[in-house]
Amino acid sequence: SYELTQPLSVSVALGQTARITCGGNNIGSRNVHWYQQKPGQAPVVVIYRDNNRPSGSPERFSGSNSGNTATLTISRAQAGDEADYYCQVWDSNILFGGGTKLTVL
Amino acid sequence: EVQLVESGGGLVQPGGSLRLSCAASGFNFRIYWMSWVRQVPGKGLEWVANINQDASEKFHVDSVKGRFTISRDNAKNSLYLQMNSLRGEDTAVYYCAKQEGGWYSTWGQGTLVTVSS
Repeated sequence: SYELTQPLSVSVALGQTARITCGGNNIGSRNVHWYQQKPGQAPVVVIYRDNNRPSGSPERFSGSNSGNTATLTISRAQAGDEADYYCQVWDSNILFGGGTKLTVL
Repeated sequence: EVQLVESGGGLVQPGGSLRLSCAASGFNFRIYWMSWVRQVPGKGLEWVANINQDASEKFHVDSVKGRFTISRDNAKNSLYLQMNSLRGEDTAVYYCAKQEGGWYSTWGQGTLVTVSS
């Protein structure tokens, strides 16, 4: 079965760029979506179909997808970006990565 | 405003049943696929089931097949999850989510299901 692999944690200095990866076999051939989840809250989509931002998602959030890795990039990281981030694809069924905890130092 | 509101969670003994409901508002419910996604406290997200617009297609994760059933009532703008033969590992927050193609544009606030004696 298809699997998505994310690092457990990523740290970034305030104002710097964070990159969160999502690995999967030939993931570049799939549409990848990214969600942000803050403690006690429901997830919120920040990027859909690899590199599209929904209304309300800051321009600082961007995505890319090629080969075996999809990447969520957060520019000029802010304290409010601290959260868990999940990648997701639709294989035969819907599949989530294990999640990455982003810490802003 | 697009809104999803779940209800029906609670404490249930192993082997028991619960029916979760999700009330949708602010959008044309009948034209969207809908899903249930769960999250064990402190753990990641897991897709549980989804259903197409007219309920002619339903899919469930292997771990709940034969025990859980997703359904919908378009006249009532409502999504349901009938959960039978509940196990400890089903303890989680259950989210209702609106699908836009292959991604989730809107999530409910979640309802907690606790399976314990």
